[in-house]
Amino acid sequence: SYELTQPPSVSVSPGQTVKITCSGDKLGDKYVCWYQQKPGQSPVLVIYQDNMRPSGIPERFSGSNSGDTATLTISGTQAVDEADYFCQAWDSTIVVFGGGTKLSVL
Amino acid sequence: QVELLESGPGLVKPSETLSLTCTVSGDSIRSDYWTWIRQPPGKGLEWIGYFYYSVSPIYNPSLKSRVTISVDTSKNQFSLKLTSVTAADTAVYYCARGQGIVATTNRYFDSWGQGTLVTVSS
Repeated sequence: SYELTQPPSVSVSPGQTVKITCSGDKLGDKYVCWYQQKPGQSPVLVIYQDNMRPSGIPERFSGSNSGDTATLTISGTQAVDEADYFCQAWDSTIVVFGGGTKLSVL
Repeated sequence: QVELLESGPGLVKPSETLSLTCTVSGDSIRSDYWTWIRQPPGKGLEWIGYFYYSVSPIYNPSLKSRVTISVDTSKNQFSLKLTSVTAADTAVYYCARGQGIVATTNRYFDSWGQGTLVTVSS
């Protein structure tokens, strides 16, 4: 079965740029999306189609996908960005989620 | 704006059947596609299954033998049944709307319900 691998945790200082990676075999051949989940809340779509932002998502969120790795980049990270982030892709008709990355803004 | 609301028992006994319903407003379940996703406490997201209207549902292979997703278009609802539950099925269960291009990898879940915690315990 297809797997997506994310680092369990990442930390960043306020105002800095942070990159969260998601790895999978030939992931660049698939579209990737990213969800943000804050404690006690439902996931929110922050990136779809590798690098597209839904309406209402700040411009500081961006994405890329090439080779075996997709990356979510948050520029000028703010305290409100502290959350869990999940990547997601499709393996044919099957939905696959990464294990999630806890972003700490220190 | 689409809204999704999960409902059902919060406590299910081991070996019994978990049953949840997702009520959709602001969109028709005859369009787009619709899914169930769960999250055990403190853990990641696990996809359960999805359907397109008039197309047979697709299930997570790891749960396929125990899962059924059904649709009630008259109520704009869809439901989840998970049989023979164990403590490992304790989780927050979410329903969500999927959008994107059918039969491609360019699909994503853009609207989620608030989630409902189901605990499996005697």
